[in-house]
Amino acid sequence: AQSVSQHNHHVILSEAASLELGCNYSYGGTVNLFWYVQYPGQHLQLLLKYFSGDPLVKGIKGFEAEFIKSKFSFNLRKPSVQWSDTAEYFCAVNAATNAGKSTFGDGTTLTVKP
Amino acid sequence: DADVTQTPRNRITKTGKRIMLECSQTKGHDRMYWYRQDPGLGLRLIYYSFDVKDINKGEISDGYSVSRQAQAKFSLSLESAIPNQTALYFCATSALGGGINTGELFFGEGSRLTVL
Repeated sequence: AQSVSQHNHHVILSEAASLELGCNYSYGGTVNLFWYVQYPGQHLQLLLKYFSGDPLVKGIKGFEAEFIKSKFSFNLRKPSVQWSDTAEYFCAVNAATNAGKSTFGDGTTLTVKP
Repeated sequence: DADVTQTPRNRITKTGKRIMLECSQTKGHDRMYWYRQDPGLGLRLIYYSFDVKDINKGEISDGYSVSRQAQAKFSLSLESAIPNQTALYFCATSALGGGINTGELFFGEGSRLTVL
């Protein structure tokens, strides 16, 4: 079974600071990887995903993530955060052979100070 | 209108009561899921269904049951609610079909359940 570990539970940044949220997964096979974002009071929505090809994927709102297979990692980055990026971020993984079941990390709450 | 609709959005109930959370979708997806969100624990899968005749337990199915009434409807029931079932519940869908199936999830807006 797959598992996901997010290293930071709560991150506080000032506007314009750079962001990197760590995500490591445990699974020996081919995976699909996701970052979902949950803005305050809203449902989860997809930020970006990786399933094949270029390991550096770009998502909405200037976010990107890099898949490093050798490190089982899929870290999320943004060069300059905005107050509106305040949200909870979830990393998720599913096995490419059974893409129906996604496993989520515990989430990272990002607070951006104006 | 939301593609994945959950009702009720908020519910307060008492221990021992039966509760049903309903989910309907207009995305035409075959796969539907119920997740539970608790602070600091992320999302945990309760049940999932890959089509109308297919129901599967997730990692935390004890105390819950589901019904897939149609391709577009998937309801979650708590037969006898208890306080530790107080949580935010999300319904989600994903597509199954030709091409690459990544399992990307589309979420409803959540149902906040409080069990006193």
